[in-house]
Amino acid sequence: EIVLTQSPGTLSMSPGERATLSCRATENISNSYLAWYQQKPGQAPRLLIYGASRRATGIPDRFSGRGSGTDFTLTISRLEPEDFAVYYCQQYDTSPPTFGQGTKVESK
Amino acid sequence: QVQLVQSGAEVKKPGASVKVSCKASGYTFTGSYMHWVRQAPGQGLEWMGWINPYSGDTTYAEKFQGRVTMTRDTSINTAYMELSRLTSDDTAVFYCTRVAVGFGIYGTFDIWGQGTMVTVSS
Repeated sequence: EIVLTQSPGTLSMSPGERATLSCRATENISNSYLAWYQQKPGQAPRLLIYGASRRATGIPDRFSGRGSGTDFTLTISRLEPEDFAVYYCQQYDTSPPTFGQGTKVESK
Repeated sequence: QVQLVQSGAEVKKPGASVKVSCKASGYTFTGSYMHWVRQAPGQGLEWMGWINPYSGDTTYAEKFQGRVTMTRDTSINTAYMELSRLTSDDTAVFYCTRVAVGFGIYGTFDIWGQGTMVTVSS
């Protein structure tokens, strides 16, 4: 199975700063079948990005994704207070679908 | 609106089984694959398997083979996930999640249930 490794484990940031999260796969992910989710405490994950770079419906444009092959990034251009959360990448190219272990974006 | 509403929290004893329901509304239930994902306290997301609500076909993650059963009732637009032989390691939140329209079996998960907390304790 494809293992996704996210880095860093925790990002300590201030509102207004730019956050860059990384997701690296052990195998090539075809067709950029990679998604990013945001999860806040006590809530279900929320789809942010799919196809590596396509924003889901209603997602603000401060969220952007890029990458291909084995290396992908999620960028939050200017952190808003509501963006402090855990972020997961997920590949849906091959079975089984797998998730990264998550990156926590916390307030400094 | 499109939503998935899951059944409430459960407390089970070791060795018991739990059955979680996931009621879909706002879209064609049989038109999208449904997956289940587990999240242990403070941990990440773990894929458990999928069901095709149209045909009833299923595929389970190797880790849960023999212990999990996914079913559906199309008359009430509801999917179910039953996990047997529970241990304390199964204490977790279980989510149902829909594959986005336009994808096949595996795709991005665009709609999630609110989660069902299952606690396994003697």
